[in-house]
Amino acid sequence: DTEVTQTPKHLVMGMTNKKSLKCEQHMGHRAMYWYKQKAKKPPELMFVYSYEKLSINESVPSRFSPECPNSSLLNLHLHALQPEDSALYLCASSQDRTGGTDTQYFGPGTRLTVL
Amino acid sequence: AQSVTQLDSQVPVFEEAPVELRCNYSSSVSVYLFWYVQYPNQGLQLLLKYLSGSTLVKGINGFEAEFNKSQTSFHLRKPSVHISDTAEYFCAVRPYGGSQGNLIFGKGTKLSVKP
Repeated sequence: DTEVTQTPKHLVMGMTNKKSLKCEQHMGHRAMYWYKQKAKKPPELMFVYSYEKLSINESVPSRFSPECPNSSLLNLHLHALQPEDSALYLCASSQDRTGGTDTQYFGPGTRLTVL
Repeated sequence: AQSVTQLDSQVPVFEEAPVELRCNYSSSVSVYLFWYVQYPNQGLQLLLKYLSGSTLVKGINGFEAEFNKSQTSFHLRKPSVHISDTAEYFCAVRPYGGSQGNLIFGKGTKLSVKP
């Protein structure tokens, strides 16, 4: 089973709202990722968690706040977003092997629209 | 540093025709190579990967790719496409010893299969 699930599928929020995106995997993977994907562009890495600790933050604005409550769950808390933050947010996971052979498996994404 | 070039942004093809999607990379170190497919309004799905061994890699849905180290290429091929193959295809690389976050994507190739 190589499934990563994400909820919700779609989210519309105002600039003053607070919302959260959720991601879950049950493959025993120890690395989890958040990507942002704008239309007709490749995914851009936002955050990486390794063994439930934040290991990479690609200079993402503080209005995006990741959280990894346990090895199977990854959240992305959103607050005071801007319309330009509208995008597809993808979660991925991997075994976290060293040496680069690690393979990332992606979820279906959450389509976020900020009004 | 690494970079990935997908030479065609769009590839239109008729159903049952063969197709090749081109991917070239640049890297000062050896790399692992991946192809992902993204169907409309969905996340990324791993098509195939080259980690080591035979340079001809077979993936899902009848796709295959060949790693050519001398030409730094990893072109994706399918002998006969279906309407359902219409999607965006992303080539990606990770350097040997790279961290979990170091997955570099090309800009994508949109494959449009016409009846």
